[in-house]
Amino acid sequence: GQNIDQPTEMTATEGAIVQINCTYQTSGFNGLFWYQQHAGEAPTFLSYNVLDGLEEKGRFSSFLSRSKGYSYLLLKELQMKDSASYLCAVKNDYKLSFGAGTTVTVRA
Amino acid sequence: DARVTQTPRDKVTEMGQEVTMRCQPILGHNTVFWYRQTMKQGLELLAYFRNRAPLDDSGMPKDRFSAEMPDATLATLKIQPSEPRDSAVYFCASGLHDSGGYTFGSGTRLTVV
Repeated sequence: GQNIDQPTEMTATEGAIVQINCTYQTSGFNGLFWYQQHAGEAPTFLSYNVLDGLEEKGRFSSFLSRSKGYSYLLLKELQMKDSASYLCAVKNDYKLSFGAGTTVTVRA
Repeated sequence: DARVTQTPRDKVTEMGQEVTMRCQPILGHNTVFWYRQTMKQGLELLAYFRNRAPLDDSGMPKDRFSAEMPDATLATLKIQPSEPRDSAVYFCASGLHDSGGYTFGSGTRLTVV
């Protein structure tokens, strides 16, 4: 089975940095994904880690440690438009299982 | 930009009625998924197709739900009869097997009254 944990909510100030942690216990592993979902919209792909280490994409970075079952998503230079839910998802073969999501609120 | 198209965007129906949701995956994608999202359960996988063949529908209530892919450009999810507990947002997603993540459609918001 799959068990994916992430914090429910986080609040940060515009221009700051926020780190969203995700821990997982799964029966198989083919990669870890982060998706962003604005209220009332579809999840959109942010990042993908299959090997240990840091992947950087502009203001967003994602880190993976497979031995620890741990990932984080780092959002830098926060903007108001970054207020959204961030979903951690683990891929096992074809199946993508999602965590409950972390709602990030960016305050001015 | 290529995208996954879902119809209808919103659906309100009475309990007991049949509901059909449609999805047009991205051209060239060989995997299609149906997910359901609720506040309580989050995103749950309902069904999975690869090269139009249904490979996993273990997340779907078999007595009332059915998923098909009559051709490469159309996937359908049917609920018959619908119940109030089926109220949720239903997402279709497509991708390439063994290659990265999946692209989600805009979803169908279903309300069963």
